[in-house]
Amino acid sequence: GQQVMQIPQYQHVQEGEDFTTYCNSSTTLSNIQWYKQRPGGHPVFLIQLVKSGEVKKQKRLTFQFGEAKKNSSLHITATQTTDVGTYFCAGPGSNDYKLSFGAGTTVTVRA
Amino acid sequence: DAGVIQSPRHEVTEMGQEVTLRCKPISGHNSLFWYRQTMMRGLELLIYFNNNVPIDDSGMPEDRFSAKMPNASFSTLKIQPSEPRDSAVYFCASSSPPGTDTQYFGPGTRLTVL
Repeated sequence: GQQVMQIPQYQHVQEGEDFTTYCNSSTTLSNIQWYKQRPGGHPVFLIQLVKSGEVKKQKRLTFQFGEAKKNSSLHITATQTTDVGTYFCAGPGSNDYKLSFGAGTTVTVRA
Repeated sequence: DAGVIQSPRHEVTEMGQEVTLRCKPISGHNSLFWYRQTMMRGLELLIYFNNNVPIDDSGMPEDRFSAKMPNASFSTLKIQPSEPRDSAVYFCASSSPPGTDTQYFGPGTRLTVL
């Protein structure tokens, strides 16, 4: 079945630095979604990418969908303590009803 | 919009007891999902419903787990009997078809089985 892999599993970042987390699928995706889960919270939808090569920005967050629609990335610039949490990517599963979530990248920030 | 509502938020029980988790999806959403999250296994899909019908329950770990959706505004996940390894955070999420639209997660129920 379709699998979504994320790397790295953990990301320790100095406040103010940039970092990127990556998401790879074993199959071509019709779309990819990103979610953020704060410590003790629940996953919250951030964004959806649909088109090949699509790039979307949310303030300091830049999301990209690969040309082959099999990978995606999330780049955060000038990391802040508010960026702490786990970032999940998710792609369509074996049918139209469900999403296949990656294992997530857990981000911690050193002040 | 109240979002997805789950109850209870925390549950502590003893091994062997029955546990019932409840979920109210967002009004108008036709798909409902139950997930379990642990440090070891991450976020696991247990079961999902579409129009109140269970579509895929392949993620349900064993017969001790059962889920129902008697109507469009209510779903339950039951564990009977509970075991310590069932300790986890259980999330309910809903979405509006068609396709894999955005899923809206509830706050979760943190279950501890002693």
